[in-house]
Amino acid sequence: NAGVTQTPKFRILKIGQSMTLQCTQDMNHNYMYWYRQDPGMGLKLIYYSVGAGITDKGEVPNGYNVSRSTTEDFPLRLELAAPSQTSVYFCASSWWGTNEQFFGPGTRLTVL
Amino acid sequence: GENVEQHPSTLSVQEGDSAVIKCTYSDSASNYFPWYKQELGKRPQLIIDIRSNVGEKKDQRIAVTLNKTAKHFSLHITETQPEDSAVYFCAASMSPSYDKVIFGPGTSLSVIP
Repeated sequence: NAGVTQTPKFRILKIGQSMTLQCTQDMNHNYMYWYRQDPGMGLKLIYYSVGAGITDKGEVPNGYNVSRSTTEDFPLRLELAAPSQTSVYFCASSWWGTNEQFFGPGTRLTVL
Repeated sequence: GENVEQHPSTLSVQEGDSAVIKCTYSDSASNYFPWYKQELGKRPQLIIDIRSNVGEKKDQRIAVTLNKTAKHFSLHITETQPEDSAVYFCAASMSPSYDKVIFGPGTSLSVIP
């Protein structure tokens, strides 16, 4: 199993551009999450999903959108990128909310 | 909503000594408390977790204790080794649906050889 994969690994955006961060898991997990981690800081939950077709906001959802059309995929969309969105983005998945989360390798995003 | 605090933010210990990291949570209904380790430039990985019906859990050199009354839980690492150097995050599940966990800000542990 590949586990949780994310693409791209790195990306530089200009202010106002848009992009989609891809996340795929092959463990048939119900739950998927998107976090951002600013330098030297903790993990802040952006959005999460408890199954295909169901998504909900986390702690810091502004400026982002998600969709979950399949169990495997959970893309994160950034519209009108801003410098404040410069961060490392981690996708994670788990069987249930109160089970181990498996993290992807992360996407390092810089907005200039 | 749930709020998780973590102390200290940085911790340096000599190799072989013990390290203790403490967390407090705000929601008395939280019932799941994992600890994640993140090495520099890597993804977070679960090292141990505890549920609210258990007061203590041990796995080799690491242990976690939970005090539900005081709403705090701690990570204990004994006989520290240089490879224990990393950032450690505590987290707590959030009621009412327990669909997600809220992470603490992290503790950077340095083990000095």
